[in-house]
Amino acid sequence: QQKVQQSPESLIVPEGAMTSLNCTFSDSASQYFAWYRQHSGKAPKALMSIFSNGEKEEGRFTIHLNKASLHFSLHIRDSQPSDSALYLCAVSMTNSAGNKLTFGIGTRVLVRP
Amino acid sequence: NAGVIQTPRHKVTGKGQEATLWCEPISGHSAVFWYRQTIVQGLEFLTYFRNQAPIDDSGMPKERFSAQMPNQSHSTLKIQSTQPQDSAVYLCASSSGQGQDTQYFGPGTRLLVL
Repeated sequence: QQKVQQSPESLIVPEGAMTSLNCTFSDSASQYFAWYRQHSGKAPKALMSIFSNGEKEEGRFTIHLNKASLHFSLHIRDSQPSDSALYLCAVSMTNSAGNKLTFGIGTRVLVRP
Repeated sequence: NAGVIQTPRHKVTGKGQEATLWCEPISGHSAVFWYRQTIVQGLEFLTYFRNQAPIDDSGMPKERFSAQMPNQSHSTLKIQSTQPQDSAVYLCASSSGQGQDTQYFGPGTRLLVL
């Protein structure tokens, strides 16, 4: 059964700094990797996803995947107070989000002005 | 586009009572998912439908939980004989089921079993 773990559990970063979040997964046959962000009391919202090894950048957000290491990460450049939220990583066994996602327990990020 | 709609937003039941949660997916989306979120366990998969057919219910507690999708515009999750450990936020998500799509989540139903 797929195990997804996130680190750190929580993080405090100053405004303008880089935020780096990590996610490891157990099943090497996994094909879809995503990050979601959940503000307090709100629905989880997809940030980025990746399917193949390497890096993908969208604005201030960069996702990096290393399947051999069973690891992917999210980096947020120039962190803003509005980035304060719970960050969830998710993995699927198929190459789309049209199948069940297995989530990590989350990293709670606080960006201090 | 109103997004995924879930009702009610909050529900309080007594131990042993039944709870029915409703989800209206994004129009045109063919896949509907149910998840449960708690502080301790995080966000856990329960079940999902594609084109109204049940595909995977591997996360559902078998005895008291059931889910249906009678038409393409809504799905229900029913919990019989609710127990305090069922207290959680129940989240519904939908996806287009095409290509490299994304799951879009509703705001959730916060269930409290006293």
